[in-house]
Amino acid sequence: EVQLVESGGGLVQPGGSLRLSCATSGLTFSNYRMHWVRQAPGKGLVWVSWINGDGTNINYADSVKGRFTISRDNAKNTLYLQMNSLRAEDTAMYYCARDTAGLHYWGQGTLVTVSS
Amino acid sequence: QSALTQPRSVSGSPGQSVSISCTGTSSDVGGYNYVSWYQQHTGKAPKLMIYDVSERPSGVPDRFSGSKSGNTASLTISGLQAEDEADYYCCSYAGSHMVFGEGTKLTVL
Repeated sequence: EVQLVESGGGLVQPGGSLRLSCATSGLTFSNYRMHWVRQAPGKGLVWVSWINGDGTNINYADSVKGRFTISRDNAKNTLYLQMNSLRAEDTAMYYCARDTAGLHYWGQGTLVTVSS
Repeated sequence: QSALTQPRSVSGSPGQSVSISCTGTSSDVGGYNYVSWYQQHTGKAPKLMIYDVSERPSGVPDRFSGSKSGNTASLTISGLQAEDEADYYCCSYAGSHMVFGEGTKLTVL
């Protein structure tokens, strides 16, 4: 059974940093492109970033470019999102998802709240 | 990276059919056959319902179907059931990024 479990969310002040993790099991992690998707409270889904299987192809949404860094550790089957210079508008549930012609598997999300 | 355009809400009675449109541009929906659709119930993670415009993952009922014409993709749900009431999002590959639709709330009357 494929499982994705996000962690690392919490309350952080504007300008602060957080590192999200997405631990996976039940899949050959290194074979898949992985994504982060976020959802502000009461709002829609927004794509944040992707990273391909070996980490050589990475892309970001314009809204997070230069502030967020996606990475992966294939030996640990884990995806990461380093978030710096956080703003109030980054407040959201952050989901990781596995890409196989569509985002077939999603975690349950981890909540990030940016507030003073 | 503008969101794809979806109707804010649609509704239908049990047993009826409804369609949800998703309009983008030639740089996303119109340029690639990589449109997917997601169902999200309140407080839950999204669930993939359609990928590659019209393919259904295993376990998704064949009441759900997808299509595309030009820059507009559509999700059709036939034989509406109460459990279909949820938010639906389209998503398209766009070369260097992905883009989601604004979301549509489906109400089963």
